[in-house]
Amino acid sequence: GAVVSQHPSRVICKSGTSVKIECRSLDFQATTMFWYRQFPKQSLMLMATSNEGSKATYEQGVEKDKFLINHASLTLSTLTVTSAHPEDSSFYICSAYRTGGADTQYFGPGTRLTVL
Amino acid sequence: QQQVKQSPQSLIVQKGGISIINCAYENTAFDYFPWYQQFPGKGPALLIAIRPDVSEKKEGRFTISFNKSAKQFSLHIMDSQPGDSATYFCAASPNSGNTPLVFGKGTRLSVIA
Repeated sequence: GAVVSQHPSRVICKSGTSVKIECRSLDFQATTMFWYRQFPKQSLMLMATSNEGSKATYEQGVEKDKFLINHASLTLSTLTVTSAHPEDSSFYICSAYRTGGADTQYFGPGTRLTVL
Repeated sequence: QQQVKQSPQSLIVQKGGISIINCAYENTAFDYFPWYQQFPGKGPALLIAIRPDVSEKKEGRFTISFNKSAKQFSLHIMDSQPGDSATYFCAASPNSGNTPLVFGKGTRLSVIA
């Protein structure tokens, strides 16, 4: 149990295009999901907190108009990188909070974004 | 975000040995301390977590030791195996898992035969 999936696992796009990344909790409902970004050999940095049915909360320095987050259901949150540029190339990881049981966050497998 | 300081940055341990990774925090509001294991190109996987009401928690070969007064916690991997070679992150949050995790910088563990 407690499986979180992400799609796609890898994406390569041209500069200026938009990319959507999906995060799904497969066997539990998640009212809260988190989006992190990880550069090579570095730690995870929180980008935003996604709450079902409400606006996401962004961390300082993260452009909300560039990184659009939609948490449309209790099992799905999406991150759209708009007008992507090479500096947006990174490993994007989501996590979902599961209540009850271990009462903890479970992470997805990550999405490798490369912007050419 | 409040910092969580993790050391060492890298660690080489012989097969069968004990791997020890340490973390320290400042925010006394933190009350949830998980450890994650991450392999290259993969997302972090929860290993073990502890709350301040206990000083130690053991799951298989993995043990967390927690010192509330010192605001420190550590991960011990007993009988380390080459398959344990990965990057380990400690983390903390102030309210179970429903709040964003603050991560340490990670420890790259290499277990050599």
